[in-house]
Amino acid sequence: GENVEQHPSTLSVQEGDSAVIKCTYSDSASNYFPWYKQELGKRPQLIIDIRSNVGEKKDQRIAVTLNKTAKHFSLHITETQPEDSAVYFCAATQLGSQTGANNLFFGTGTRLTVIP
Amino acid sequence: NAGVTQTPKFRVLKTGQSMTLLCAQDMNHEYMYWYRQDPGMGLRLIHYSVGEGTTAKGEVPDGYNVSRLKKQNFLLGLESAAPSQTSVYFCASSYSQGNTEAFFGQGTRLTVV
Repeated sequence: GENVEQHPSTLSVQEGDSAVIKCTYSDSASNYFPWYKQELGKRPQLIIDIRSNVGEKKDQRIAVTLNKTAKHFSLHITETQPEDSAVYFCAATQLGSQTGANNLFFGTGTRLTVIP
Repeated sequence: NAGVTQTPKFRVLKTGQSMTLLCAQDMNHEYMYWYRQDPGMGLRLIHYSVGEGTTAKGEVPDGYNVSRLKKQNFLLGLESAAPSQTSVYFCASSYSQGNTEAFFGQGTRLTVV
């Protein structure tokens, strides 16, 4: 099965600085890579995703890059704000797999703290 | 739309007791999932379902059973709770035509003493 590794486990940045979280995956058949944000005591929520047919995707201050050859993908947050403080999870799955389900395999999470 | 709703939100069980967690979604999603979240381990898939009447094992299925008798509901059962099952449980659903996003419930914090 798929194995997703995520680094770092904790990250502290000053407000306004950039934050980068990196993930690697093991299954070359994976083709969909979402990122979820989980605020304290809340449910995980999708913030951005990327499919294997593109190398980069941006949404305002958030961007995700994908290197299929190296099997790694990264989340970039620019101009960080205190409300960006949360746990971020990367995930990988193969859409259209034989199981018929989009089972997400998650990384272990990164706790991001933005210091005002 | 309520999205994905889990019942209950909190529960304390004694070792050996049984319980059922209910997940309901109103988005007409085909796929439903149960995850457990433990510190430092991310979210791990327990069981999943690709449609009404179907279920399958995920990464950590031991000690759990599931049922999906109706498309909108996915039940997670613990027949004989163990302290190792102390965790936060999340239900999720996904997949309607053209949309792959997974939506999560608010979580159930279960403590087994």
